[in-house]
Amino acid sequence: QKEVEQNSGPLSVPEGAIASLNCTYSDRGSQSFFWYRQYSGKSPELIMFIYSNGDKEDGRFTAQLNKASQYVSLLIRDSQPSDSATYLCAALLYKYIFGTGTRLKVLA
Amino acid sequence: DAGITQSPRHKVTETGTPVTLRCHQTENHRYMYWYRQDPGHGLRLIHYSYGVKDTDKGEVSDGYSVSRSKTEDFLLTLESATSSQTSVYFCAISEGRNSNQPQHFGDGTRLSIL
Repeated sequence: QKEVEQNSGPLSVPEGAIASLNCTYSDRGSQSFFWYRQYSGKSPELIMFIYSNGDKEDGRFTAQLNKASQYVSLLIRDSQPSDSATYLCAALLYKYIFGTGTRLKVLA
Repeated sequence: DAGITQSPRHKVTETGTPVTLRCHQTENHRYMYWYRQDPGHGLRLIHYSYGVKDTDKGEVSDGYSVSRSKTEDFLLTLESATSSQTSVYFCAISEGRNSNQPQHFGDGTRLSIL
């Protein structure tokens, strides 16, 4: 069983809409969670991290963590074509475990 | 900018040859990591370091060795490259002095083994 699961997509949303990206993890001991954005041919870039249950907002991005249900989500408000990328979720227990990523396409 | 430089950025070599990838950081971070990224597998940890001469294995360490003789440099060596090691390799650092801090990645090395 994969320890961090993401739907590979592509997830297509129209420009200006909210994109919702989801991630589930298997190890209940995981303490910290990270979202990275990766453009094609580029390296992963940290967008947000969250440690506590609830929501954490940063500009157009909101990370949501529900430890009881073992899922993490990333909401992108007012999606732009420049948000089109692969989004990687990572969970940290003793080491980072990455999901395989969800490809997001924002349609102009 | 986390001050991470990977070299070379691209390399093509033949099966059976040794290959060394270099990761250089300028901000005195304690923790450094080597990952490989392959379609369908995501990022997988090869080896990591928690200080000079202190290294440990990750989940896909077979066929790879590492060395860290200086804080700023973390080397990944493929002793005898195989085609299965064709991949994109990323170096990463953890912010601060703890491994539970966010990681930041270098620009990657695209390695092709023919």
